[in-house]
Amino acid sequence: DQQVKQNSPSLSVQEGRISILNCDYTNSMFDYFLWYKKYPAEGPTFLISISSIKDKNEDGRFTVFLNKSAKHLSLHIVPSQPGDSAVYFCAVSIQGAQKLVFGQGTRLTINP
Amino acid sequence: DVKVTQSSRYLVKRTGEKVFLECVQDMDHENMFWYRQDPGLGLRLIYFSYDVKMKEKGDIPEGYSVSREKKERFSLILESASTNQTSMYLCASSPILAGVSNEQFFGPGTRLTVL
Repeated sequence: DQQVKQNSPSLSVQEGRISILNCDYTNSMFDYFLWYKKYPAEGPTFLISISSIKDKNEDGRFTVFLNKSAKHLSLHIVPSQPGDSAVYFCAVSIQGAQKLVFGQGTRLTINP
Repeated sequence: DVKVTQSSRYLVKRTGEKVFLECVQDMDHENMFWYRQDPGLGLRLIYFSYDVKMKEKGDIPEGYSVSREKKERFSLILESASTNQTSMYLCASSPILAGVSNEQFFGPGTRLTVL
């Protein structure tokens, strides 16, 4: 019973274009959402987050969109750069709770 | 600068061996977590601890145990390693901050191979 799903295992994007990574969740109680980035042989690093009271949060080239009615989260990277090539995990939580539930990850490859 | 360190980056063990994975954080965080990462399965929580000597099972605790004797250190123990425990093991920590970010800080991971 997967509470968080990233349905695309991989995504390939041309440098300079927009990368869109998607995440779906099942439990409407989740109210805090995070994206992590992971390079090979390194631990995940926090990228950006959003609370359920918002529908958009922006940080430089990274924007996270939240559609609560659809229980859908997306990460937009624009413009995409070669250094963005990594595995991206979405994670969900109930705010104030101590645990995160992670999706399966999407491997993003940015082609020069 | 926040730091979570793990005792080994790569480890090779034989089936049936007892394996210890150590994790240390220097951020005075209350919470510590152990995950394993497998292709197509994402990060799955094995155990977590919200205080010294306290532990709670995660989603896949079978075959594992943990120990937290000091606030900064959280150990994962494989009592009798099996080949299906070959994986990347990730330790994380986070502060208890009710109502704000649930961000966790991760170590570099230990790639464990059980032969």
